[in-house]
Amino acid sequence: ETGVTQSPTHLIKTRGQQVTLRCSSQSGHNTVSWYQQALGQGPQFIFQYYREEENGRGNFPPRFSGLQFPNYSSELNVNALELDDSALYLCASSLGTRATEAFFGQGTRLTVV
Amino acid sequence: QQQVKQSPQSLIVQKGGISIINCAYENTAFDYFPWYQQFPGKGPALLIAIRPDVSEKKEGRFTISFNKSAKQFSLHIMDSQPGDSATYFCAATSGGGADGLTFGKGTHLIIQP
Repeated sequence: ETGVTQSPTHLIKTRGQQVTLRCSSQSGHNTVSWYQQALGQGPQFIFQYYREEENGRGNFPPRFSGLQFPNYSSELNVNALELDDSALYLCASSLGTRATEAFFGQGTRLTVV
Repeated sequence: QQQVKQSPQSLIVQKGGISIINCAYENTAFDYFPWYQQFPGKGPALLIAIRPDVSEKKEGRFTISFNKSAKQFSLHIMDSQPGDSATYFCAATSGGGADGLTFGKGTHLIIQP
């Protein structure tokens, strides 16, 4: 059984650019959710994908979008990057439509300059 | 609006002592309450979780106490060890579906040898 893996681990982007982050879910898990964790804060829910469809979203603007693929891996896309988007982006996988028993990856540290 | 309030922000405990972290929630629809442990540079790791139909759950040195009427829950770490030094997050989610986890702001725990 493999855990949740994210790539890349670190990334530096310029304000206004676009970024794509990737996540492979834990074996057997069909739900992937994404979180943003600012320095010194708790993770904040961005959105969740279940069986390739977004089925829940937190308070994030539309420039945050995602995809889930048939193998349940996922991407987080952020357009028009802003300085405040600098954060640790975490992917979590779980089984079923809920966030129970959610297991997190190590995260992608995004720095926007 | 912060729906899960966590305290204290930081905590120093002597080795062998009991570490206690408290959380309070507002949303009465929450029905799953996990605790996560996070080390620097890593993603959160699920420690223990509880549902509101029980008042206490114990796993090894970790115990969750839950008070539904007060809308509070707490994590107790017995016989605290230096390896327990980390940031701890309480979280909650509701049965409504894909709401994701709502996290507290975290407690930075230091166990002094």
